[in-house]
Amino acid sequence: QSALTQPRSVSGSPGQSVTISCTGTSSDVGGYNYVSWYQQHPGKAPKLMIYDVSERPSGVPDRFSGSKSANTASLTISGLQAEDEADYYCCSYAGTYNFVFGGGTKLTVL
Amino acid sequence: QVQLVQSGAEVKEPGASVKVSCKASGYTFTSSEIIWVRQAAGQGLEWMGWMNPNSGYTNNAQKFQGRVTMARDTSISTAYMELTSLTSDDTAVYYCARNREGLQLWGQGTLVTVSS
Repeated sequence: QSALTQPRSVSGSPGQSVTISCTGTSSDVGGYNYVSWYQQHPGKAPKLMIYDVSERPSGVPDRFSGSKSANTASLTISGLQAEDEADYYCCSYAGTYNFVFGGGTKLTVL
Repeated sequence: QVQLVQSGAEVKEPGASVKVSCKASGYTFTSSEIIWVRQAAGQGLEWMGWMNPNSGYTNNAQKFQGRVTMARDTSISTAYMELTSLTSDDTAVYYCARNREGLQLWGQGTLVTVSS
């Protein structure tokens, strides 16, 4: 199972919006509506930001949103804030109790 | 308090095995799947395997076939992940996570260092 493809890095200024893509195949991202996104600050455990493509857990700001088109999922962060600077990972169900993560994207808030 | 508490850091020699525990509290252990993920220093998250604590059924990433065993003890709400034939490439932080509407609950991570 190959890792999902994410850009290595993205950046944006405070108040701007950024979008992180996550490209897989029809066997994972394209085949199921089970894409989730995780935020990870250095030295911390990952934190769930989006599940089931576009659902937001309680407590996650509505500045974070998710979507999917064909084999590519996206995480959009609007109204960037300094504390959003972190690594972001996508994860998809890949069938038969298999999961796959993306390689991760480093978000820099300029 | 809903939490997953993992066992402490381990140092192992190449060729040895390591067993990491993950104790659940604050929720019904058998109601949600447990996922194991690892992260080498400076690297991304890597899915290792999945376990249904109710049935005990597991599935491992193909990369770890034959080297990883996942188990649970429902009487103490604890999941285990054992990795054998360790090499330096297995040096990483190992996480367990509860799979319910995404991985909403994570353990604190267990650092496993493989070194002679």
